[in-house]
Amino acid sequence: AQTVTQSQPEMSVQEAETVTLSCTYDTSESNYYLFWYKQPPSRQMILVIRQEAYKQQNATENRFSVNFQKAAKSFSLKISDSQLGDTAMYFCAFHLRNRDDKIIFGKGTRLHILP
Amino acid sequence: DVKVTQSSRYLVKRTGEKVFLECVQDMDHENMFWYRQDPGLGLRLIYFSYDVKMKEKGDIPEGYSVSREKKERFSLILESASTNQTSMYLCASSTPGTGNTEAFFGQGTRLTVV
Repeated sequence: AQTVTQSQPEMSVQEAETVTLSCTYDTSESNYYLFWYKQPPSRQMILVIRQEAYKQQNATENRFSVNFQKAAKSFSLKISDSQLGDTAMYFCAFHLRNRDDKIIFGKGTRLHILP
Repeated sequence: DVKVTQSSRYLVKRTGEKVFLECVQDMDHENMFWYRQDPGLGLRLIYFSYDVKMKEKGDIPEGYSVSREKKERFSLILESASTNQTSMYLCASSTPGTGNTEAFFGQGTRLTVV
């Protein structure tokens, strides 16, 4: 069975700083996808970034980037030049490729961006 | 835009009541999911469905059932609501097979059982 672990329940950083959220996972599979989702205080969960496990290059979306270490089963999210609107719960998620399978979520990290 | 709509944002029910949470998606997604979100526990999967009339138990199915009579609609049923089912319920949908497609979420239903 797959598991996803987020070891930081809560974090706070000053606006404009860079922050890294940690995620580790456990699986015996080789083909899978990893995601970071954001849930702002208004509660609508949205996708931040995705990473395909067979790609070595780390995904980047504007100020958001990941550090994907497949051998270490680590998938951290870096937010550069943090903004007040980045305040949210962030969930790391795992999904097997080519399988009709459930999406496994971590317990989340509550991120506060301070003015 | 993909839209996943949950029928209620806030709901208050009494212990023992039968409760229906409805979810509708408009993107013809095959997969639909019901999660429960509690502080410190993240998202826990209650049930999921890969097709009409098909359902699979998730990690915490006890006390819940589901119904999927039409592709776009996935209902979560609390047969006899209890106070420990007070929680945030999130519905999601996605397309199957590749794992590349993201899950799209509804706005959530905050259920309080008194």
